[in-house]
Amino acid sequence: DTGVSQDPRHKITKRGQNVTFRCDPISEHNRLYWYRQTLGQGPEFLTYFQNEAQLEKSRLLSDRFSAERPKGSFSTLEIQRTEQGDSAMYLCASSLFPENYGYTFGSGTRLTVV
Amino acid sequence: AQSVAQPEDQVNVAEGNPLTVKCTYSVSGNPYLFWYVQYPNRGLQFLLKYITGDNLVKGSYGFEAEFNKSQTSFHLKKPSALVSDSALYFCAVRERNNNDMRFGAGTRLTVKP
Repeated sequence: DTGVSQDPRHKITKRGQNVTFRCDPISEHNRLYWYRQTLGQGPEFLTYFQNEAQLEKSRLLSDRFSAERPKGSFSTLEIQRTEQGDSAMYLCASSLFPENYGYTFGSGTRLTVV
Repeated sequence: AQSVAQPEDQVNVAEGNPLTVKCTYSVSGNPYLFWYVQYPNRGLQFLLKYITGDNLVKGSYGFEAEFNKSQTSFHLKKPSALVSDSALYFCAVRERNNNDMRFGAGTRLTVKP
């Protein structure tokens, strides 16, 4: 296991469609995080899991967004009824709590809503 | 709530010259501080972190950063810049009892030959 994997790398969708992204963290990492990054900005925290439990959600995570980590391994982030404002890079990161303080990021999924 | 400021959108240096990328932060209590680098269409790569102890931390690729509590700063430095250091650099902060890592807006470093 060489790092955090995200799939797909790019997604183009029409406004109003649903999309789902997948993140596979480093296998021994118990924490998994989702961030969103728009052009010219730093990543913004969306939510995080410890094992299968979703422990925190940002106010940025509207009711159209849902994230799961059903078995405490991979995670999915679904966006329903996509809007043009959802266009961004969605980054996943993982860490081993409490030993590690920094996060390992995946390469991200770039979403374009047309 | 914690926040991070990177006052420079862009930093330009000549190859071989020293570089500094500035970062200031605001937290209640003692922070965890981080620097990440991002290359085009890639995720963020960890460079270095300050958790506790020595204020000068050394990281990957010859980078270092100094934690200055009185100035609430954590500037990234490198004695001799390389063209391959050209990238987007992000400073980040976490409060010790908070799992929300906040990032600055980023500084684009360009190293010219």
